[in-house]
Amino acid sequence: GAVVSQHPSRVICKSGTSVKIECRSLDFQATTMFWYRQFPKKSLMLMATSNEGSKATYEQGVEKDKFLINHASLTLSTLTVTSAHPEDSSFYICSASLPANYGYTFGSGTRLTVV
Amino acid sequence: AQTVTQSQPEMSVQEAETVTLSCTYDTSESDYYLFWYKQPPSRQMILVIRQEAYKQQNATENRFSVNFQKAAKSFSLKISDSQLGDAAMYFCAYRIQGAQKLVFGQGTRLTINP
Repeated sequence: GAVVSQHPSRVICKSGTSVKIECRSLDFQATTMFWYRQFPKKSLMLMATSNEGSKATYEQGVEKDKFLINHASLTLSTLTVTSAHPEDSSFYICSASLPANYGYTFGSGTRLTVV
Repeated sequence: AQTVTQSQPEMSVQEAETVTLSCTYDTSESDYYLFWYKQPPSRQMILVIRQEAYKQQNATENRFSVNFQKAAKSFSLKISDSQLGDAAMYFCAYRIQGAQKLVFGQGTRLTINP
């Protein structure tokens, strides 16, 4: 149980276009979701925390206008990378806070390549 | 600010032997949770083990156990009878009670030698 499905797993887009990454909780309601960025051989860097029905809270240094996060339902959060540039190429991971037991479950990640 | 430090960027161990990964953290809180996550080459984050700070007993999950030293703010992971499938990046993480987000350490890359 407690599965988070993240799509797409890989995406290549042209510079200047926007890309949307979806994160769905399949068998539980995810009140809170998190979006991370991971550079090669590095740790996970938290980008933002999203709570269902409210605006996301972005970490310092993360451009909220570039990385749009929407959490309109208890089972879906989306990250849209707007006007993507090659420096946005990275591995993006979503995570959901599990109810009642203070654990977390993670999506399988999305490798974004901007050409 | 809470920080988590993993001082071993890389570790290696012979198959079937035991290895310990270290983790220290800095906090002024008394109620918190500690986690070890595994990230294999697939890059899927997998929970290995978790520990509540108020529990004195060290958590264990089959071949995985922790040595939780609250006063020393240390949370090491011991992997017994290492298997080839244990090869992965291991991340130590921390969360305070009542907060939402996890704070991750830098990670330790574990290699298992056959």
